[in-house]
Amino acid sequence: NAGVMQNPRHLVRRRGQEARLRCSPMKGHSHVYWYRQLPEEGLKFMVYLQKENIIDESGMPKERFSAEFPKEGPSILRIQQVVRGDSAAYFCASLPGQNTEAFFGQGTRLTVV
Amino acid sequence: RKEVEQDPGPFNVPEGATVAFNCTYSNSASQSFFWYRQDCRKEPKLLMSVYSSGNEDGRFTAQLNRASQYISLLIRDSKLSDSATYLCVVNMNNYGQNFVFGPGTRLSVLP
Repeated sequence: NAGVMQNPRHLVRRRGQEARLRCSPMKGHSHVYWYRQLPEEGLKFMVYLQKENIIDESGMPKERFSAEFPKEGPSILRIQQVVRGDSAAYFCASLPGQNTEAFFGQGTRLTVV
Repeated sequence: RKEVEQDPGPFNVPEGATVAFNCTYSNSASQSFFWYRQDCRKEPKLLMSVYSSGNEDGRFTAQLNRASQYISLLIRDSKLSDSATYLCVVNMNNYGQNFVFGPGTRLSVLP
C-alpha cells in the first residue's frame, strides 16, 4: 500500500505564474488535509476535503488559492498569480475516517522567484 | 484560548535525560489524540496515539487526562536521534477542521 504521494517535490515558479500541487491519498482514504509550513514555523491548516466536497476552507486565503478533491484522481491545491510570500512547504495528509491518525506526504516545496 | 497549546520550548537536554512535554486542548468533545514527530524540512510522522489508559512504546510514554484536557509525552533515556519537533494533535470531532495541530515543541538532545 503506497503512502501519500505528493508531486512535484520541488516547484519553482516566477511571480504571477500558477502553481498546482498534487496529492494522492493512501488507498481507501477519503479525507484529505492541506497544510502550509513556512521556515522555522509550525503547520498551518489550509483546507479539509472529502471526496468531491470542501468541508472546511477557513485556513485558505480568500483570493488566489483553491482546492479540490475530485471523485477520481488526486487532490489539487492551486495557487494562482503566485507571490514571493507563497514560498513554503505544502504538506498533504490523508485519513481513512474522522477519528483516525493522519498520514503525511513528503510535501511540495514551492519557491517563487 | 488556542485550540491546542504546547510548551513553547526549545528543550535542550543531555543524552540520557528524561524529558516531558505537555499539551492542552480546548474542546472537551475531542475524541482522539496523537503525538507526531517532525524532523527538519521533513513531513510529520506519527509517533504514537494517546489512549485514555495511557500507553507506552519503548522509551516513550503518553498520558491523557480528559478531565483536565491535558496530554503529555515522556521520553526516557534521550538519544541524539530524538532531536526533533514534537507535535501534539487533537481530533476535535467537529464537522469542520477537526484534526488540529499544536505549534510544536522543539527538542535538542546534546552529546
